[in-house]
Amino acid sequence: NAGVTQTPKFQVLKTGQSMTLQCAQDMNHEYMSWYRQDPGMGLRLIHYSVGAGITDQGEVPNGYNVSRSTTEDFPLRLLSAAPSQTSVYFCASSYHLGQPQHFGDGTRLSIL
Amino acid sequence: DAKTTQPPSMDCAEGRAANLPCNHSTISGNEYVYWYRQIHSQGPQYIIHGLKNNETNEMASLIITEDRKSSTLILPHATLRDTAVYYCIVRSGTGANNLFFGTGTRLTVIP
Repeated sequence: NAGVTQTPKFQVLKTGQSMTLQCAQDMNHEYMSWYRQDPGMGLRLIHYSVGAGITDQGEVPNGYNVSRSTTEDFPLRLLSAAPSQTSVYFCASSYHLGQPQHFGDGTRLSIL
Repeated sequence: DAKTTQPPSMDCAEGRAANLPCNHSTISGNEYVYWYRQIHSQGPQYIIHGLKNNETNEMASLIITEDRKSSTLILPHATLRDTAVYYCIVRSGTGANNLFFGTGTRLTVIP
């Protein structure tokens, strides 16, 4: 198993550009989520999904969209990148409600 | 989900036990205590979790006080590779499967 795979690992964008951060898991996990981590801080939840076709907002959802068309994939879209979205983004998944989450290695995003 | 309080940093000598405390005085009956760690810039790694009984796995032990208002993560023989930020998280087993991370404890294992 590859676990949770995030691509790209690094990305630089200009303000106003859009892009999609990819997240895929091969563990048949129902739950997937996106977090962002700013320097010196803990992780903050952006969006999460309890299964294919179901998504919901987390703590800091503004400026981001998600969809969950398959169990395996949970892409995160930045609609119009802003410098405040410069951060490290982590995707995570788990089998069911209450189970420990597995994290990807992160995408480091810089917005100029 | 209940809030947690952890010391910002701790040191531990290599080969000794590392004991990381966490206070969660507002924990409710159906909330679990989870521990994760984050090594350098990698994604967080699950360590252990428990409800009321002490738990042990190949990585660590979790000791939860009888009133459940605090807990301690024990790394029995710390190595340099255990240097990381350790997060104590309290969450409901029936709520949405998201984790609220604070700033954690930065553990430095000293040779």
